Amino acid sequence: GQQLNQSPQSMFIQEGEDVSMNCTSSSIFNTWLWYKQDPGEGPVLLIALYKAGELTSNGRLTAQFGITRKDSFLNISASIPSDVGIYFCAGQATNYGQNFVFGPGTRLSVLP
Amino acid sequence: DAGVIQSPRHEVTEMGQEVTLRCKPISGHDYLFWYRQTMMRGLELLIYFNNNVPIDDSGMPEDRFSAKMPNASFSTLKIQPSEPRDSAVYFCASSSLGPNEKLFFGSGTQLSVL
Repeated sequence: GQQLNQSPQSMFIQEGEDVSMNCTSSSIFNTWLWYKQDPGEGPVLLIALYKAGELTSNGRLTAQFGITRKDSFLNISASIPSDVGIYFCAGQATNYGQNFVFGPGTRLSVLP
Repeated sequence: DAGVIQSPRHEVTEMGQEVTLRCKPISGHDYLFWYRQTMMRGLELLIYFNNNVPIDDSGMPEDRFSAKMPNASFSTLKIQPSEPRDSAVYFCASSSLGPNEKLFFGSGTQLSVL
């Protein structure tokens, strides 16, 4: 089946630093979603990407749909303590149906 | 707008008991999904519905698990009998009609089976 890999698995950064994480697949995807999950809560959608090469921003967050359609990247600029959480990518490989596959997540810790 | 609403938030039960998890999707969303999240396996899709009809239940672990969607605003996930290995966070998510639409998640039900 389709599987997504996320790297890094976890990261510790200083407040104010920029963060980069990525998500890769062996399959071609048509949609990429990035979610953030806070402890005790459900994943919250951050950014959705629908076209290869697409670059989309949401405040300090920027995500890109890789041109190979097998990867996606999420960048966070000027990190703050509330950025702490687990970031999941999700990809959809079919044009029809709703079977998103989720990556294992990147756990972000922000040190003051 | 109210988001996806799940209940209960926490459930502690003893092995062998029946457990029922509930979900109210976002109004107007025609797709409803049940996911399970564990440390070992991450987020796994259990089943999803389109217009109240189960479309893909291949992720349901075994016959002890069943899901229903009697109407557009309500779904249940039932485990009978429950086992300790069912302990996990169960999420419900919904999305609107159309391919490649975004999933919106509820806050989840933390299930502990003792």
